[in-house]
Amino acid sequence: QVQLQESGPGLVKPSETLFLTCTVSGGSISNKYWSWIRQPPGKGLDWIGYIYFSGSTNYNPSLKSRATISVDASRNQFSLRLSSVTAADTAVYYCARSSSWYLNLDSWGQGTPVTVSS
Amino acid sequence: QSVLTQPPSVSAAPGQKVTISCSGSSSNIGNNYVSWYQQLPGTAPKLLIYENNKRPSGIPDRFTGSKSGTSATLGITGLQTGDEADYYCGSWAGSLTTYVFGTGTKVTVL
Repeated sequence: QVQLQESGPGLVKPSETLFLTCTVSGGSISNKYWSWIRQPPGKGLDWIGYIYFSGSTNYNPSLKSRATISVDASRNQFSLRLSSVTAADTAVYYCARSSSWYLNLDSWGQGTPVTVSS
Repeated sequence: QSVLTQPPSVSAAPGQKVTISCSGSSSNIGNNYVSWYQQLPGTAPKLLIYENNKRPSGIPDRFTGSKSGTSATLGITGLQTGDEADYYCGSWAGSLTTYVFGTGTKVTVL
């Protein structure tokens, strides 16, 4: 059974860049779509973007090009880079897997909390 | 602000049935598949329904999904205390430019 685990700093300063990694175990990163989703405290889910194992990407336009998702198939990992963070980027960040382009997100990581504060 | 609207909360007694609506438009639900996710308190979301009405392996048939036009519905029968959670619909929007989740519905078992 595939497992996903997010990792990265829990605290980031305003205007800096957030970098998170999702490590996939128990399955291959190939032929799947890998997404990042976030959830601000007490609020709903917000899709950030996805990467296909081959490297093609799709992002939420609301992030205005601040987000970049990359994949390292040799390490069975994919990553999120979010630049120029503000307090509004404070959230629990989840990574998730989909077997199809329409994003049936069938496996999720446990989530990692990120706070943006000086 | 999500383009998929759900009721903030629904409730029913154990053993009863609840339905959760997800209202959208032709640019999202009307032309795309709908998924449903369950988020138990303090945990990550879990896929309940995909492709409008299909259940992943391990999801009991107490959970059903349907879609009609620009709206989708999640039904939960035989309500259990363990079903108390937040439920979210999800679909592509705007010619596949972004994936959107619904506003979320809290289910309370009375």
